[in-house]
Amino acid sequence: EVQLVESGGGLVQPGGSLRLSCAASGFTFSSHALTWVRQAPGKGLEWVSSISGSGGTSYYADSVKGRFTISRDKSKNTLFLQMNSLRAEDTAAYYCARASGIAGAGALDWFDPWGQGTLVAVSS
Amino acid sequence: QSVLTQPPSVSGAPGQRVTISCTGSSSNIGAGHDVHWYQQLPGTAPKLLIYANTNRPSGVPDRFSGSKSGTSASLAISGLQAEDEADYYCQSYDSSLTGYFFGTGTKVTVL
Repeated sequence: EVQLVESGGGLVQPGGSLRLSCAASGFTFSSHALTWVRQAPGKGLEWVSSISGSGGTSYYADSVKGRFTISRDKSKNTLFLQMNSLRAEDTAAYYCARASGIAGAGALDWFDPWGQGTLVAVSS
Repeated sequence: QSVLTQPPSVSGAPGQRVTISCTGSSSNIGAGHDVHWYQQLPGTAPKLLIYANTNRPSGVPDRFSGSKSGTSASLAISGLQAEDEADYYCQSYDSSLTGYFFGTGTKVTVL
């Protein structure tokens, strides 16, 4: 069974940093791009970042570019999201998801499955 | 901002058919990029419902169907059931903005 389990969320002050992790199992890790999607309280879904299967290429939404860094560790089958210079508007549930393709920016890609999410709250 | 627009809510009685529209533009749906649909039950993570415009993953009832035409796509739910009460999101890729986008989301209420 394909499974994704996020961790690392919590309360952080504005300007602070947090590192999210997503442990993957049940599939060939490097054969799929991986994605982070977030959902602010009571709001819709927002794509945050994607990384190719090899880890060599990454993509970001304009709202997080320059502040967030996505990475993956093949030896640990784990996806990461390093979040710096956090703002109140970054408060959200963060989900990791497996992309259907390997490139990370495939125009055909869908996301399946999704993890259960981890909550990030940015507040003083 | 979202480049894919959905109606905020739709409702129907049990057994009825409802449709949810997803309106995009020439740089996403109109450019030929596939549309995918997700169901998010209250308090849970999103789940893939329809992929590549019309395809259902294993385990998704055939009451759910998708279509795409021009710069828009639609999700239809026939034989509406109480368990279908959820938020539904479309998703596609935008060539101009170079990224993935989700629709604004639609809440389905079973009367």
